[in-house]
Amino acid sequence: KNQVEQSPQSLIILEGKNCTLQCNYTVSPFSNLRWYKQDTGRGPVSLTIMTFSENTKSNGRYTATLDADTKQSSLHITASQLSDSASYICVVIGSYNTDKLIFGTGTRLQVFP
Amino acid sequence: DTAVSQTPKYLVTQMGNDKSIKCEQNLGHDTMYWYKQDSKKFLKIMFSYNNKELIINETVPNRFSPKSPDKAHLNLHINSLELGDSAVYFCATTESGDGNYGYTFGSGTRLTVV
Repeated sequence: KNQVEQSPQSLIILEGKNCTLQCNYTVSPFSNLRWYKQDTGRGPVSLTIMTFSENTKSNGRYTATLDADTKQSSLHITASQLSDSASYICVVIGSYNTDKLIFGTGTRLQVFP
Repeated sequence: DTAVSQTPKYLVTQMGNDKSIKCEQNLGHDTMYWYKQDSKKFLKIMFSYNNKELIINETVPNRFSPKSPDKAHLNLHINSLELGDSAVYFCATTESGDGNYGYTFGSGTRLTVV
């Protein structure tokens, strides 16, 4: 079982709607949690970085939340745009192995007009 | 000017061949990585180098050999390619491999072994 699990695996929404992606992790203790966006044929690009003491972090229409007690994080996308179509990956860095990213399974988001 | 550039972007080769993928960064970062993304889009670390020194070597077959001629380059050489090596390989860099900084990824090299 992967240390970072995401749901749903894929999601289709209409342009302008909001959506929330989920991430559950078992990495413990952890240093920080990140959300990345990966467009097709491109490398992942960082959206947010949260340490274990932070509950929420925003980047434009993207808002990430973190509950370190339940080991859950979510990424909320507001007023979705066609360009939001991509894979969203939750990434955790553990405290003991701070030099490697542990990637989640990703959520494939498609925004339709 | 691309911060992390990988070449080639696409590579199609036959089983048994030896091939190399190159990565160059102009960010002045100390740590460079190779990640492999499989058909299920799952990314997993292969190697990391800090200032030309190998730091991480995950359970990767020894047919894969990273080489860092200088701090700005980390190349990946693969011997005796197998069908299962088909994947997208990403190079990444960070200022310091202590987990506190952002990572910059290259745009990937799609390797197809036929």
